Amino acid sequence: DVKVTQSSRYLVKRTGEKVFLECVQDMDHENMFWYRQDPGLGLRLIYFSYDVKMKEKGDIPEGYSVSREKKERFSLILESASTNQTSMYLCASSPRGQGRHEQYFGPGTRLTVT
Amino acid sequence: EDQVTQSPEALRLQEGESSSLNCSYTVSGLRGLFWYRQDPGKGPEFLFTLYSAGEEKEKERLKATLTKKESFLHITAPKPEDSATYLCAVQGLFSGGYNKLIFGAGTRLAVHP
Repeated sequence: DVKVTQSSRYLVKRTGEKVFLECVQDMDHENMFWYRQDPGLGLRLIYFSYDVKMKEKGDIPEGYSVSREKKERFSLILESASTNQTSMYLCASSPRGQGRHEQYFGPGTRLTVT
Repeated sequence: EDQVTQSPEALRLQEGESSSLNCSYTVSGLRGLFWYRQDPGKGPEFLFTLYSAGEEKEKERLKATLTKKESFLHITAPKPEDSATYLCAVQGLFSGGYNKLIFGAGTRLAVHP
């Protein structure tokens, strides 16, 4: 079974703080993704990575950065948290090639910025 | 532009009352269509991948079908534990090797005893 884990289920931070969200997958997947999910807006892609140290912007990268130093780990960084970044953050991973394209998701981190 | 529309937004069923959820899509060459189940406060759980029109996949009370323009998730004799949000996503040919997905907004299903 694929397992994607996220460092925290719930997180409360203050405006202006630097926030790190960590994601680890155990299936040796090449691709990893960060989404945020908000009521009425669905899942929106923030950033993704297709290899170690490689990253691409998704649809809403402003205010976020990412880091992928090891294949199994993908971090999302909020440089200076703002209240409009209060959201559910979801990490996912996916194999490349091999005819399989589905993404597997972690449990999510509910971030509240006050 | 690739797009996914799910209907209805919400569906309330009685236990045992079969129904279908719809996912309409426009994509520049379909590489795959995916169904996920999401429980409140949790991450989406992968259910099915469909690759070509006419394909069907089944899992317990769920059956997914695919045409060239839409997919249906049929729920037969649902139980309260089937209550969840069901998400549909597509992957286009031009997503490259990165397996990027475009998600619909989901259908919230509530099954009452």
